[in-house]
Amino acid sequence: DAGVTQTPRHEVAEKGQTIILKCEPVSGHNDLFWYRQTKIQGLELLSYFRSKSLMEDGGAFKDRFKAEMLNSSFSTLKIQPTEPKDSAVYLCASSDLGGVNTGQLYFGEGSKLTVL
Amino acid sequence: QQKVQQSPESLTVSEGAMASLNCTFSDGTSDNFRWYRQHSGKGLEVLVSIFSDGEKEEGRFTAHLNRASLHVSLHIREPQPSDSAVYLCGGEASSSFSKLVFGQGTSLSVVP
Repeated sequence: DAGVTQTPRHEVAEKGQTIILKCEPVSGHNDLFWYRQTKIQGLELLSYFRSKSLMEDGGAFKDRFKAEMLNSSFSTLKIQPTEPKDSAVYLCASSDLGGVNTGQLYFGEGSKLTVL
Repeated sequence: QQKVQQSPESLTVSEGAMASLNCTFSDGTSDNFRWYRQHSGKGLEVLVSIFSDGEKEEGRFTAHLNRASLHVSLHIREPQPSDSAVYLCGGEASSSFSKLVFGQGTSLSVVP
């Protein structure tokens, strides 16, 4: 089975640019998460979808971060406009809630964003 | 929101020695706990999931949970250089996935 796929793996953007990160969850998973990971803050939840419906939008990240789930097998995270403080690794994860593993998260390898 | 204190921040052990990592949660929101490993440039992989007090073993990895003290630990038996990575604990509330919390991570180095 294919795991969670994230593209691009690396992105360099100028301040003020718009960037879009993509995620394909594990086939059949109904829960999808976007996290931001930095050394200082650790993992911070950006968005959480269940069956394509937005359940959590990460509070402090609302203004410039927008996650969408257009269908059950594809999600995007748009950052507009980017700022240098957005430099981080963005992780996507999906879950088989109700499955044998009782909601275990499966993570992609992340998209490393550098904003100059 | 529930907070997680993970320790130590970094740890160096010799190959074959036991490595022990700890997490303490600020309250009892989480019902289920997992330990994750993250190699450099990779995503998180689940090592051990533990849902009740006591211990749970998965190969060389053993997790201990004590709900009364809000404490979960991970012990790595006979660590190898390939185990060098960042280890994170995670807590989940069965009532809502939006209450997932993670520790800051422990950077483990295993030296030959």
